Amino acid sequence: EPEVTQTPSHQVTQMGQEVILRCVPISNHLYFYWYRQILGQKVEFLVSFYNNEISEKSEIFDDQFSVERPDGSNFTLKIRSTKLEDSAMYFCASTHGGGGSSYNEQFFGPGTRLTVL
Amino acid sequence: AQSVTQLDSQVPVFEEAPVELRCNYSSSVSVYLFWYVQYPNQGLQLLLKYLSGSTLVKGINGFEAEFNKSQTSFHLRKPSVHISDTAEYFCAVSIKAAGNKLTFGGGTRVLVKP
Repeated sequence: EPEVTQTPSHQVTQMGQEVILRCVPISNHLYFYWYRQILGQKVEFLVSFYNNEISEKSEIFDDQFSVERPDGSNFTLKIRSTKLEDSAMYFCASTHGGGGSSYNEQFFGPGTRLTVL
Repeated sequence: AQSVTQLDSQVPVFEEAPVELRCNYSSSVSVYLFWYVQYPNQGLQLLLKYLSGSTLVKGINGFEAEFNKSQTSFHLRKPSVHISDTAEYFCAVSIKAAGNKLTFGGGTRVLVKP
């Protein structure tokens, strides 16, 4: 069964360093998302991506964040200069988004735990 | 904007007992409603969803939920829980548009005791 994969599973970095979190969405999906979950808090939407551009972003997704689909399979989240408060679990998700329906299930990856020291 | 409130952060329950997890939402437009489950060290898995039609929806692993429009609620129930149901459960909504984001509640941690 197709699934969303994410690498690495755990990333430890120093404050101020750049990190890139990688995701491989399900191959025929058209919409891609990043969510984050700070320990003990709710899952929060960061950004959605469709047709090679950002379709929506939250107020959390400031200039320190960027997303990219560098090839036909990967979807990355870059944090340019990490802060302590960026420590969280980051989830990638994808959905097909087609078929003329307004509903398509989002499939989530297992997450990358980012720890900023 | 939409918001989701899960009234219970933790619910301890004995094995084979029933459980109900409460979810209330707020939205100015019609929404789809979801329950996701997160097992330890895993991603989010869809348990069930309400799109339209019958207000009682059944999902995987014996869970069901009832949509109540007047009370803006979507409570999750299971008549008899197993140890394996120990997990965190998230209620979520999205507006009715292709590719739209999910807005999650704070989660309810269910601990099933033998």
